[in-house]
Amino acid sequence: GAGVSQSPSNKVTEKGKDVELRCDPISGHTALYWYRQRLGQGLEFLIYFQGNSAPDKSGLPSDRFSAERTGESVSTLTIQRTQQEDSAVYLCASSSHTWTSGGGETQYFGPGTRLLVL
Amino acid sequence: KNQVEQSPQSLIILEGKNCTLQCNYTVSPFSNLRWYKQDTGRGPVSLTIMTFSENTKSNGRYTATLDADTKQSSLHITASQLSDSASYICVVKGAGSYQLTFGKGTKLSVIP
Repeated sequence: GAGVSQSPSNKVTEKGKDVELRCDPISGHTALYWYRQRLGQGLEFLIYFQGNSAPDKSGLPSDRFSAERTGESVSTLTIQRTQQEDSAVYLCASSSHTWTSGGGETQYFGPGTRLLVL
Repeated sequence: KNQVEQSPQSLIILEGKNCTLQCNYTVSPFSNLRWYKQDTGRGPVSLTIMTFSENTKSNGRYTATLDADTKQSSLHITASQLSDSASYICVVKGAGSYQLTFGKGTKLSVIP
């Protein structure tokens, strides 16, 4: 079956513009995560969706960042008034199990969206 | 603060040789440790997941070890191939949490 897909694969924008990134998780996966990977850095957790529960937004770096997910389907990550420090690869991952199921679930990652803010 | 440190940052080896990558972590309480392989321009792909009670786990030519007492893990790659060239990321999950702490990765280059 299809894996996690993300679009666009690359995005170049000007400082101050808004951008919207899309993630299509694996069908049936209840959990969806967004991460940011800056050049030379480890992945940073941004936000976690689990089914219809309220998302955990504790990793979002500022109020310019927001994300939505309808049910167990597509998610969008929106960055408003982009800044140069927002330049990074934004990765989405999905998982078929909740964190309460023992912790052994595997997260399947999409290819990422490379964002460059000029 | 939960941290995952990996060494070396980068490594170049000849095709056919073996290598070992290191990971130290401070995540507590601990749930499991994962090794991911990330090819350039791609998302990470899981190689192994090890829980507290597991000391060794293999996946083909990849063998991961875990010492939960010293909070250290290693990933050993046997008979390296050109396709092993990638970043290898150590990821630790805390108990009672869905959040993962990622290391910065070791960039492995296998040359002919």
